[in-house]
Amino acid sequence: DAGITQSPRHKVTETGTPVTLRCHQTENHRYMYWYRQDPGHGLRLIHYSYGVKDTDKGEVSDGYSVSRSKTEDFLLTLESATSSQTSVYFCAIGTGATDTQYFGPGTRLTVL
Amino acid sequence: SQQGEEDPQALSIQEGENATMNCSYKTSINNLQWYRQNSGRGLVHLILIRSNEREKHSGRLRVTLDTSKKSSSLLITASRAADTASYFCATDATRGAQKLVFGQGTRLTINP
Repeated sequence: DAGITQSPRHKVTETGTPVTLRCHQTENHRYMYWYRQDPGHGLRLIHYSYGVKDTDKGEVSDGYSVSRSKTEDFLLTLESATSSQTSVYFCAIGTGATDTQYFGPGTRLTVL
Repeated sequence: SQQGEEDPQALSIQEGENATMNCSYKTSINNLQWYRQNSGRGLVHLILIRSNEREKHSGRLRVTLDTSKKSSSLLITASRAADTASYFCATDATRGAQKLVFGQGTRLTINP
């Protein structure tokens, strides 16, 4: 998977608890992305980063925050998880804003 | 709103037959990409076609782009069971934020 890992791969949590998902890359790509994938909605962009400490919102950013303190790591945080955030989360990396993206294996998150 | 829309949503064919999937989009683009997703896995990049290209080949894959109709097609020739997957198109936009927008995908099933 192009030197990109996600952790954890599966997580079950309760409503109201904080959750942090981690994406780690070994490709030294500038761009990193967080998507969520839900039936009927396809893949939707949550947040993305175009460099260390440089991040921006995607189309479904409410309830999520991100941080990128190192080139290789991009963290996605749900400050207070809700059932609507039950989804499969994918991290992706790329060299340019609209160039080819390489995806991680995904994290399946269930919020009870 | 989704930039790219795939058609059909689901396609089932016999092994050895050709499979054609279509993608329509709304605004002018710089390039269009196709990705494959096997069940439970991350997306894998297949091919990128630029707005000044009309056709591109990669192995058994043939992609066409018609910018006047704002549409693209992905043809998989001589299908195999291993081609069973979901296929997504992703587009950028020449105006606005430089991000990829993914369609909802076509679910392709190859029957032995």
